[in-house]
Amino acid sequence: QVQLVQSGAEVKKPGASVKVSCKASGYNLITYTMHWVRQAPGQRLEWMAWITAGNVNTKYSQKFQGRVSVTRDTSASTVYMELTSLTSEDTAVYYCARRPVAGTLFDYWGQGTLVTVSS
Amino acid sequence: DIVMTQSPLSLPVTPGEPASISCRSSQSLLHSDGNTYLDWYLQKPGQPPQVLIYLGSNRASGVPDRFSGSGSGTDFTLKINRVEAEDVGVYYCMQALQTPLTFGGGTKVEIK
Repeated sequence: QVQLVQSGAEVKKPGASVKVSCKASGYNLITYTMHWVRQAPGQRLEWMAWITAGNVNTKYSQKFQGRVSVTRDTSASTVYMELTSLTSEDTAVYYCARRPVAGTLFDYWGQGTLVTVSS
Repeated sequence: DIVMTQSPLSLPVTPGEPASISCRSSQSLLHSDGNTYLDWYLQKPGQPPQVLIYLGSNRASGVPDRFSGSGSGTDFTLKINRVEAEDVGVYYCMQALQTPLTFGGGTKVEIK
């Protein structure tokens, strides 16, 4: 069955970087796009970025441009999201979510990774 | 960016009674391919969101038929025919017409 399993919780200091992984199983990673969505405490869900199926292409929210990077290791069936220059406002739960190429729905989500930024 | 606005913020419901959530987008979500890129998700406490409705009115696999989505252009509605206790959580609409994908502020459904 399809599963997206994310890496564990992280605690980082302001100015540091974090890299969250999302390991896919039960399907071929390159046949779906993968998105990253975050949720800060008490806030609405916020879309950050996506990586395409097939040939690697990425698209980032303007809000995170220059600070976020999404990569894919096909051999490991894993997608990574790295966020740099962290501030306390980046404290949030980060989710990966799969979406068909046709772009119809987020049908599977990772369990979420809590990233806490604190001095 | 497309702004998504939901109402109400909070919705106390009685089991067995209907419930309705409204979502409005700042621009039409109708794509030139004929699809309307509006999803509905339910997030239960401590869990990631789960899809209920996609392309405005299509129920996702495994979603009970008491959930239905309707609307077009900029105005959309999620209806629960007869609320059950397991339906509590926060409901979000989301537009996927263009990046950045954007979510509504959420509607918290709780049992009276």
